[in-house]
Amino acid sequence: AQKITQTQPGMFVQEKEAVTLDCTYDTSDPSYGLFWYKQPSSGEMIFLIYQGSYDQQNATEGRYSLNFQKARKSANLVISASQLGDSAMYFCAMREANRDDKIIFGKGTRLHILP
Amino acid sequence: DVKVTQSSRYLVKRTGEKVFLECVQDMDHENMFWYRQDPGLGLRLIYFSYDVKMKEKGDIPEGYSVSREKKERFSLILESASTNQTSMYLCASSFVIQPQHFGDGTRLSIL
Repeated sequence: AQKITQTQPGMFVQEKEAVTLDCTYDTSDPSYGLFWYKQPSSGEMIFLIYQGSYDQQNATEGRYSLNFQKARKSANLVISASQLGDSAMYFCAMREANRDDKIIFGKGTRLHILP
Repeated sequence: DVKVTQSSRYLVKRTGEKVFLECVQDMDHENMFWYRQDPGLGLRLIYFSYDVKMKEKGDIPEGYSVSREKKERFSLILESASTNQTSMYLCASSFVIQPQHFGDGTRLSIL
């Protein structure tokens, strides 16, 4: 079974609109961390945001926020006021405490921002 | 800023060749990782290392080996390259339980 599920293979969004990228995860470990990475067409993976399973508040980093719903095992990335430069592939990932420092990645969502 | 440097952005090799992909990080990270990325499959972990001379198999180690003789350098080796190893290879490093930082990737084509 997939540990990380990103159900949206691709999305088209108008510039300046908010974007929500979906991510659900599956774990029985009470201690885990969730990550989002951005991969532009140039290929590098850019770390965006992190949420720990025990964090009480949703993580935020500038225009990025993580909508963490623990009971639903959901960790959606929200990008406010989207920009053309946000066009990229986005990966959700999880690290479980009992798996040392290995990270499991979802298959990604390709986001296209339209002018 | 963390810098993870992969030796080549693009590489073309022939089947049966021994291929070396090099990765160097400059932040004294304990952990280093090698992934391959294929369309529709996301990133899959090949090997990782927690310390010098230590290595652990990831999810798809077959056909690959690694070497970590120095803390800053983690090499991925394709012992006898095959066409199904044509892929994007990504190296990453991190401190323990910290986010991983990635290199720019190597697009490897095996002819």
